[in-house]
Amino acid sequence: GESVGLHLPTLSVQEGDNSIINCAYSNSASDYFIWYKQESGKGPQFIIDIRSNMDKRQGQRVTVLLNKTVKHLSLQIAATQPGDSAVYFCADPNNAGNMLTFGGGTRLMVKP
Amino acid sequence: KAGVTQTPRYLIKTRGQQVTLSCSPISGHRSVSWYQQTPGQGLQFLFEYFSETQRNKGNFPGRFSGRQFSNSRSEMNVSTLELGDSALYLCASSFGGHNEKLFFGSGTQLSVL
Repeated sequence: GESVGLHLPTLSVQEGDNSIINCAYSNSASDYFIWYKQESGKGPQFIIDIRSNMDKRQGQRVTVLLNKTVKHLSLQIAATQPGDSAVYFCADPNNAGNMLTFGGGTRLMVKP
Repeated sequence: KAGVTQTPRYLIKTRGQQVTLSCSPISGHRSVSWYQQTPGQGLQFLFEYFSETQRNKGNFPGRFSGRQFSNSRSEMNVSTLELGDSALYLCASSFGGHNEKLFFGSGTQLSVL
């Protein structure tokens, strides 16, 4: 029979360009966010996190921006490489414990 | 140090059977969470165990259950399997405090025929 898959937003970028992946959240009380990268056949891998007392946090080639006013965060990847091709999720640990609520994910495709 | 280990990596079962999946957390981690990932529903939280007690539970039927042992290793069980249970089952571990990053295993791919 027909199968219906989750339609992930897709971002296609040229190798070497910068990538920006966006995520919106709904819980105003959320105070901690995590970005995960999931490659095909693997579990989600931690990339970077940010707490609500910060607007920006930088890692190696990655930057996360948090705008609490509009409840939006973004992940920026500098000089995107083929190895960055994956699905990226933002996640919000539920304040009642370590129950992560995941966004739908964005599939990043890097063109050589 | 070793990461989160899940066994088996792949599993094929038929409708009506039951299945047990295993997860060994990172050494020192006391919290183990389970997630189901499907193309149609994405990543969904099943339950979390901390110090051998279920601390949080997602919105799944009672056919899905779990437990945690004194060494923090965890198992989840699915009884009376249905075709819709076909999914990637992911385990994640952490120290168990508030708002911590979770570390995931590679998952068990379950196919129900």
